[in-house]
Amino acid sequence: QSALTQPASVSGSPGQSITISCTGTNSDVGGYNFVSWYQQHPGKAPKLIISDVSNRPSGVSNRFSGSKSGNTASLTVSGLQAEDEADYYCSSYAGGNSLVVFGGGTKLTVL
Amino acid sequence: EVQLVQSGAELKKPGDSLKISCKGSGYNFNPHWILWVRQLPGKGLEWMGIIYPSDSDTRYSPSFQGQITISADKSISTAYLQWRSLKASDTAMYFCARLIITDTHVDFWGQGTLVTVSS
Repeated sequence: QSALTQPASVSGSPGQSITISCTGTNSDVGGYNFVSWYQQHPGKAPKLIISDVSNRPSGVSNRFSGSKSGNTASLTVSGLQAEDEADYYCSSYAGGNSLVVFGGGTKLTVL
Repeated sequence: EVQLVQSGAELKKPGDSLKISCKGSGYNFNPHWILWVRQLPGKGLEWMGIIYPSDSDTRYSPSFQGQITISADKSISTAYLQWRSLKASDTAMYFCARLIITDTHVDFWGQGTLVTVSS
């Protein structure tokens, strides 16, 4: 099972909005509404920020939102803040022996 | 408070064996799947395998099948990741995490265990 495709990097200025894409196939992203997003700061464990395409866990800022169209899921971060600078990973249920597949990760830089 | 606490960093030589641990607390450990994830230096996340502590049902990623062993001791709420013979390419950070199997999202992560394999 190939990794999901994410851009290597995105950047934005404080207050702006950015969107990170996550492209898979109809065997993973496109086949199920089971896309999750994780935020990872350097040297730290990942943190869940979105599950089931667009569900935001309790305690996660409403500046984070998720969506999906076809085989591509997206994470939008609005009102960028310095603390949002981190790596972001998507994942999706992939079925069968593959179970779950992760994206390659996107480094978000807040200019 | 849900916590997954992993064992400390390890420095090993090629060919050594190793078993790292992940202890859960703050929730009922047994009926929740535990996922192990590898993160190579500067790289992304890869799922290695999962275990259901209640009955030790274990599933491996095809990429790691035969290379690792995942186990659990439900009596002490602890999951393990084991290698029989380490290679330099096993140098990585390893995370355990609580996996929600119905939609495969992870809601809690351990702090990670850095494994360094060097002669």
